[in-house]
Amino acid sequence: RKEVEQDPGPFNVPEGATVAFNCTYSNSASQSFFWYRQDCRKEPKLLMSVYSSGNEDGRFTAQLNRASQYISLLIRDSKLSDSATYLCVVAHSNYGGATNKLIFGTGTLLAVQP
Amino acid sequence: EAQVTQNPRYLITVTGKKLTVTCSQNMNHEYMSWYRQDPGLGLRQIYYSMNVEVTDKGDVPEGYKVSRKEKRNFPLILESPSPNQTSLYFCASSRGTNNEQFFGPGTRLTVL
Repeated sequence: RKEVEQDPGPFNVPEGATVAFNCTYSNSASQSFFWYRQDCRKEPKLLMSVYSSGNEDGRFTAQLNRASQYISLLIRDSKLSDSATYLCVVAHSNYGGATNKLIFGTGTLLAVQP
Repeated sequence: EAQVTQNPRYLITVTGKKLTVTCSQNMNHEYMSWYRQDPGLGLRQIYYSMNVEVTDKGDVPEGYKVSRKEKRNFPLILESPSPNQTSLYFCASSRGTNNEQFFGPGTRLTVL
């Protein structure tokens, strides 16, 4: 089983739609969680961190469920410019102390159609 | 401008010919890492460094070496490249693993 699993998609949605991605992780000791966005053949860039209480940034909402070990990303009012691959990232420690390891999911491809 | 730079951006080489991909950051970050990205496998960590002279293996370290003699530089060395090392490589830096990772633009390596 992969440490971080995502549905690869593609998710094809019309402009204005709401779309949600889930990501599950296997290490219950994971400490930090992130969503990154990657455009085709470009470097990943941080979209948002995911906090225990959930957090929102404009049209984007991220949530964490530690009991079920999954995180989610909700995008409202999708724009053409949201088309990209969304990477789920989990951080944990190999040595029981501060986090030192990042595990990336394989990504979910979103294609917003006009 | 705060950035991570990698060189070269594109490289085609032959099996067994030693090569180095450079990575440099100007943000005074302590944490640096190297990833390779392959279709269907996502980003996999090769090596990481928590600080100068402190490096550790990631998930796929075989066939690679790194060094961290200075805070800003973290070169990736392939002593004897093989075709299965054909991939897209990213260097990243951050203040720590709990912080935003800043990625370089990527190096597309082809080993024939």
